[in-house]
Amino acid sequence: DIQMTQSPSSLSPSVGDRVTITCRASQSISSYLNWYQQKPGKVPKLLIYAASSLQSGVPSRFSGSGSGTDFTLTISSLQPEDFATYYCQQSYTTPRTFGQGTKVEIK
Amino acid sequence: QVQLQESGPGLVKPSETLSLTCTVPGGSISSFYWSWIRQPAGKGLEWIGRIYSSGSTNYNPSLESRVNMSVDTSKNQFSLKLSSVTAADTAVYYCARDSPGARAFDYWGQGTLVTVSS
Repeated sequence: DIQMTQSPSSLSPSVGDRVTITCRASQSISSYLNWYQQKPGKVPKLLIYAASSLQSGVPSRFSGSGSGTDFTLTISSLQPEDFATYYCQQSYTTPRTFGQGTKVEIK
Repeated sequence: QVQLQESGPGLVKPSETLSLTCTVPGGSISSFYWSWIRQPAGKGLEWIGRIYSSGSTNYNPSLESRVNMSVDTSKNQFSLKLSSVTAADTAVYYCARDSPGARAFDYWGQGTLVTVSS
């Protein structure tokens, strides 16, 4: 299985901050990397697919980059509604695997 | 907008079989992969497996010996069976569509909590 490792596990930024979350794959996955946002008690929501493509309806302050084994999710200016847990997920091969999550908490 | 809806018992006894169905009302499940994903309380997401509308499947090796998925295109439904459950299988279970273009889970059900307890 391909292992996905996110860092940090949690962070406490302020509204308006630029936030960066990284995800590393245990082997090259080309650009087959997706990012999801999950709020407490809610369903995960697709934000970014294929490493850098913004899902329809997702605000442009979210962006993704990377290829191979190292990827980044960036929130350019954190909004109150962005406090959530973020997961990366590889779609290079099965079994599909997720990172352990990064919790973005209110400072 | 694609809607998915999980249904099934919320309580299963240890050693028995967990059975869930996902219905896609008003839509067609043809020509897509459909996945099951679970999340224990306070923990991360685990992909259980997927089924194509033709019936072809891929399972997570960690669960493969206990998992069976099936599809009924006439009812726009697909199903999950997980046998010999233990408390470790207690989780919220989601069904999701595996978008062929994005190769991502673009639509999800609301999730259903399944508790394994006697």
